[in-house]
Amino acid sequence: DQQVKQNSPSLSVQEGRISILNCDYTNSMFDYFLWYKKYPAEGPTFLISISSIKDKNEDGRFTVFLNKSAKHLSLHIVPSQPGDSAVYFCAASDFGNEKLTFGTGTRLTIIP
Amino acid sequence: DSGVTQTPKHLITATGQRVTLRCSPRSGDLSVYWYQQSLDQGLQFLIQYYNGEERAKGNILERFSAQQFPDLHSELNLSSLELGDSALYFCASSAIVSGSETQYFGPGTRLLVL
Repeated sequence: DQQVKQNSPSLSVQEGRISILNCDYTNSMFDYFLWYKKYPAEGPTFLISISSIKDKNEDGRFTVFLNKSAKHLSLHIVPSQPGDSAVYFCAASDFGNEKLTFGTGTRLTIIP
Repeated sequence: DSGVTQTPKHLITATGQRVTLRCSPRSGDLSVYWYQQSLDQGLQFLIQYYNGEERAKGNILERFSAQQFPDLHSELNLSSLELGDSALYFCASSAIVSGSETQYFGPGTRLLVL
């Protein structure tokens, strides 16, 4: 039972353009969502998060949008840079339960 | 560098054997989480410890066990190893970021069971 889904295993975007990574979830108890970036042979690196009381959170080039009614979140990266090439995981947790449920990841490739 | 350390980086062993993976959380973090990432799989939560006590359990096999010591480092013990246990094992520790708990991951231990 995949409670967090990333339906695009891979995405290619030209340098300078916007990258949009999508994530859907099924558990309505999830109230905190995170995006992690992972390079090969390294652990996931925390990127940005959003709680369910917000619908948008920005940090520099990264913006996360949350649509609770659609149980959907997205990560926007603008402008995309070659160093953004990595696997991106979305993750979710519910109040009082700190464990994270991860999606299967989207491999983002930025084309110079 | 997340501040979470894991040893060893790589481990190669045979079926039926037992291994111990070690994790040191970030300074001051009381929680340690263990995750498994198999080929083509997302990260699967295994178990969480908080200040020496087991706090939550996920998809952890009975052949696997963990503990957290008084100095807050944690060990994940995998026994009677099978080929399917080959995976990346990550530990994480957590901190409060903007009012919510955020996990920071170590570099992982790559386990290969032959």
